[in-house]
Amino acid sequence: GAVVSQHPSWVICKSGTSVKIECRSLDFQATTMFWYRQFPKQSLMLMATSNEGSKATYEQGVEKDKFLINHASLTLSTLTVTSAHPEDSSFYICSASLGDMQGNEQYFGPGTRLTVT
Amino acid sequence: AQKVTQAQTEISVVEKEDVTLDCVYETRDTTYYLFWYKQPPSGELVFLIRRNSFDEQNEISGRYSWNFQKSTSSFNFTITASQVVDSAVYFCALSEVSRGSQGNLIFGKGTKLSVKP
Repeated sequence: GAVVSQHPSWVICKSGTSVKIECRSLDFQATTMFWYRQFPKQSLMLMATSNEGSKATYEQGVEKDKFLINHASLTLSTLTVTSAHPEDSSFYICSASLGDMQGNEQYFGPGTRLTVT
Repeated sequence: AQKVTQAQTEISVVEKEDVTLDCVYETRDTTYYLFWYKQPPSGELVFLIRRNSFDEQNEISGRYSWNFQKSTSSFNFTITASQVVDSAVYFCALSEVSRGSQGNLIFGKGTKLSVKP
């Protein structure tokens, strides 16, 4: 149980275009979803925390208008990278939490590799 | 200052050797959670363990064991009789209650473990 999927698994887009990444909890309802990005050989950096039905909370330094997050249901959160540039190329990983209690295990998706040319 | 420090960037061992991955954390919270995740080359994060700050008991799960010592703010991970399949990047992570009930994870930079046959 507790499976999280991401779509697409990889995407190549041209500079200036927008890309949408979906994160779904397949067999549970996720009150909270998280979006991370990971550059090659580096750690995961939290971008934003998303609660169903409310605005996402962005970490310092993350542009809200560039990385649009929508958490429309308890099983789906989307991250849209708007006007993508080569420096946005990265591995984007989402995770979902079963509840809103601290220390709840986060279940991670398989990640989406974005390459902007 | 880094809240989660994994001083070992890369470790290389020969199969069947024991290996310990170090993790030192920093927090002012009295209640917090510590995690270890494995990230194989495929990229998907695999949950290994969660430990809350009030539980200092060491844990063993098969070839894996964890040593949590609050006195030194360390949460080290040992693999006994390592196998080639253990080759991956291992992340230690911290979740602080003071950040609210979101369960945000703060990751260390990871340790890349290579187990050679």
